[in-house]
Amino acid sequence: GEDVEQSLFLSVREGDSSVINCTYTDSSSTYLYWYKQEPGAGLQLLTYIFSNMDMKQDQRLTVLLNKKDKHLSLRIADTQTGDSAIYFCADGNQAGTALIFGKGTTLSVSS
Amino acid sequence: EPEVTQTPSHQVTQMGQEVILRCVPISNHLYFYWYRQILGQKVEFLVSFYNNEISEKSEIFDDQFSVERPDGSNFTLKIRSTKLEDSAMYFCASSPNQNTQYFGPGTRLTVL
Repeated sequence: GEDVEQSLFLSVREGDSSVINCTYTDSSSTYLYWYKQEPGAGLQLLTYIFSNMDMKQDQRLTVLLNKKDKHLSLRIADTQTGDSAIYFCADGNQAGTALIFGKGTTLSVSS
Repeated sequence: EPEVTQTPSHQVTQMGQEVILRCVPISNHLYFYWYRQILGQKVEFLVSFYNNEISEKSEIFDDQFSVERPDGSNFTLKIRSTKLEDSAMYFCASSPNQNTQYFGPGTRLTVL
C-alpha cells in the first residue's frame, strides 16, 4: 500500500535553516502536503505543492519535490523557537480523497 | 479566519459504550473527513464524506463506526460499542475542493 516515511527528530539552533525530509511511494499523487502540529493543537496546513512542480516558496518556507526519487523536503529559513513543533508530510491517495501521513518529524529549536 | 471546531476536546468512556464525536466544518466546505491518531502512531484516514454519503472508507472504519451530517453545520462520528483500542485522538477535517484539507483541534477519546 501507499506509505510515507520521514525522520523522527531534528534539532537546530535559532537562526539556522531546518530541512525536513520525506519519502513517499505513491506515484499518482496530485498534491503533497506539509502540516504542522504544535503541542495540544490540531494539524495546521502549512503548505502544499502540486506534483508537476519541483519547487514552491512561501516566505520562510521552501518545498522541494523530486518526483523521480519520490522525495519531498521542507526547508525553514531563519528557524525560530516558535517553529518548534511536529511536522507531518502527507500524500494524497490515488482517489484524491484520503491523506496518507508520515509519522511526523519533531523539530526542536534551541536559542 | 474560519476554523474547523470539534467537541468535546476530551471524552472518557467505558468499554462497550457508544460515543458521538462532533465536528463543525468550515461553512462553505463540501468534503468532510475523519482521521485518528493512536498515541505514538501515524495519523490514519478513517472516512471521507461528500454529498451526504460516504465517498471512501478505510479498513479501520468497520460496522462499529458511522458518520452523519444531521444538519447543515454538524458532522459526527459515532462509535457504537467502544473498545480499548479505539482510544486515540480523532481529527475532523473539511475541504472546499478535495485538494486542501483543514483539520480541527481533535477530540481525545479514552476508553477504560
